[in-house]
Amino acid sequence: AQSVSQHNHHVILSEAASLELGCNYSYGGTVNLFWYVQYPGQHLQLLLKYFSGDPLVKGIKGFEAEFIKSKFSFNLRKPSVQWSDTAEYFCAVNAPMGNTPLVFGKGTRLSVIA
Amino acid sequence: SAVISQKPSRDICQRGTSLTIQCQVDSQVTMMFWYRQQPGQSLTLIATANQGSEATYESGFVIDKFPISRPNLTFSTLTVSNMSPEDSSIYLCSVARENTEAFFGQGTRLTVV
Repeated sequence: AQSVSQHNHHVILSEAASLELGCNYSYGGTVNLFWYVQYPGQHLQLLLKYFSGDPLVKGIKGFEAEFIKSKFSFNLRKPSVQWSDTAEYFCAVNAPMGNTPLVFGKGTRLSVIA
Repeated sequence: SAVISQKPSRDICQRGTSLTIQCQVDSQVTMMFWYRQQPGQSLTLIATANQGSEATYESGFVIDKFPISRPNLTFSTLTVSNMSPEDSSIYLCSVARENTEAFFGQGTRLTVV
């Protein structure tokens, strides 16, 4: 069965600091990988996704993630965070054949302070 | 893509009662998924609804508590039965197509008092 580990429960950064959130998954085959963001009181929003090809994926709002197959990792990065990035971030995986549910990590809360 | 309409968007219910959540997709899909997001938590898969067969439940979720219907390829319902305050959560339906991201309904915010 698939599982997703997000190592950081709560990250606090100052504005303009760089961000890296860890995500590791456990699955024996090919996977699709996702990062979602949930702003306070809001619904899930897709930040970026990886299916195949270039392992460095660029998403919305200046976020990017790198798929490292050998490490089963898909870490999320942003070079300079803003106060508006304060949110909960979820890493998720599913199998690529379709009709398979996403498995979510427990999430990382990011607090950006001025 | 897929557009998912979920209702109600929110409800406040008395303990011991049941609530049925509806999920309508704008195109046919084989599988529909129901998730729960408890306050401050991540999304947990409740069950997979496949048209024409009984839903498949994840560990910790049972049909008596969360009965699911899937009468056709565009519609599903999830019922939260005999509710208690611990059932207060956001419930979401989702579909996933091959090589696309999953699509989610807007969620049903349930408060049990």
